[in-house]
Amino acid sequence: SQQGEEDPQALSIQEGENATMNCSYKTSINNLQWYRQNSGRGLVHLILIRSNEREKHSGRLRVTLDTSKKSSSLLITASRAADTASYFCATAGITSGGFKTIFGAGTRLFVKA
Amino acid sequence: GAVVSQHPSRVICKSGTSVKIECRSLDFQATTMFWYRQFPKQSLMLMATSNEGSKATYEQGVEKDKFLINHASLTLSTLTVTSAHPEDSSFYICSAPKGGPRSYEQYFGPGTRLTVT
Repeated sequence: SQQGEEDPQALSIQEGENATMNCSYKTSINNLQWYRQNSGRGLVHLILIRSNEREKHSGRLRVTLDTSKKSSSLLITASRAADTASYFCATAGITSGGFKTIFGAGTRLFVKA
Repeated sequence: GAVVSQHPSRVICKSGTSVKIECRSLDFQATTMFWYRQFPKQSLMLMATSNEGSKATYEQGVEKDKFLINHASLTLSTLTVTSAHPEDSSFYICSAPKGGPRSYEQYFGPGTRLTVT
């Protein structure tokens, strides 16, 4: 099962520009995490934001969380060609089937050099 | 940080055979592990929750007789794809929470790419 939607599904930008990806979810959460995945590779954990936090920074990454709207955004500033990857949000919390981490559909980011 | 390994990283098998994938937590114990499947250009779909000492919990639509899960110890969960078919070809990823089943610290394995010919 997937928690919700991410938009855009795909994003193409020039190096140096900022990239913003959004994630919506459906149920109550303990935390929300963002991951990066290069083509055919495993997941790289980027950042975790707890349900009682509204914003978090890590390097060029800025994550916001709005629990009233059940949404989160990931901003990558001053993008680089190496940022080209798929980005997924994942929510952790209690569902009808127990405690789970569920992934969004993902955004494919392409940064042109 | 904590490490979760998977073995093999890549496997090719013939249709009708069974394939076993191992997921190990290398430096912590995990009473719960999770198995995900990812088709090309799609997201990770949770398949099942593996529980040490008890039966796995499967997500809706996942055939438990086809995807056998055994949580043999506090550091090892195995996923066996039985009677594999080409449509089972996918990227399989496991994860384990370090601080208990409800831990924020979820660590993912590097994935296993299964190709069924």
